[in-house]
Amino acid sequence: EIVMTQSPATLSVSPGERATLSCRASQSIKSDLAWYQQKPGQAPSLLIYGAFTRATGVPARFSGSGSGTEFTLTISSLQSEDVAVYYCQQYHDWPPLTFGGGTTVEVK
Amino acid sequence: QLQLQESGPGLVKPSETLSLTCSISGGSITTSGYYWGWIRQSPGKGLEWIGSVYSSGNPYYNPSLTSRVTISVDPSKNQFSLRLTSVTAADTAVYFCASHRSAVAETWGRGTLVAVSS
Repeated sequence: EIVMTQSPATLSVSPGERATLSCRASQSIKSDLAWYQQKPGQAPSLLIYGAFTRATGVPARFSGSGSGTEFTLTISSLQSEDVAVYYCQQYHDWPPLTFGGGTTVEVK
Repeated sequence: QLQLQESGPGLVKPSETLSLTCSISGGSITTSGYYWGWIRQSPGKGLEWIGSVYSSGNPYYNPSLTSRVTISVDPSKNQFSLRLTSVTAADTAVYFCASHRSAVAETWGRGTLVAVSS
């Protein structure tokens, strides 16, 4: 099973500043990585797939990068509506599909 | 636009079977290339993939749950279902159904809370 590790657990960022979230895979997953956003009380929603491709309707301030075992989700200018928990998920080798533990993004 | 809606009991007794259904609207469960899956989230915790069934009906399960899980499709009702046997308190969670292609969950239901308690 591929283990996904996210850091930091919590990130506090001032409005308009950049937020950088990390995700590490226990073995190479090439670019088979997705990012999801889960706002309080809601279901997760797809942000990024293929490590860097934004899903339909996702604002351009969200970007993904990385390959192999190291990945990054960047929010270029944090907005108040971006407060959420962000999860990465690998789909390179499954079953099982595996998620990271999540990063909570707060507004400072 | 594809929409998913979970339904089922919100309370299950320990050792009994949890059964949930996901109803699909705005699309067909037989659409080629789609997987239909279940993901759960224990209170205050992260996401755990339970399993998925391909549009052809072939299931894929999380090895940690495979002995207790069955996911099946009902094309006549445009639904798919989850059965989890011998539940314990550790199975208390919000259960989400989702559709995915290439194992990326594009559409999610709103989720349903299932508590395991006597």
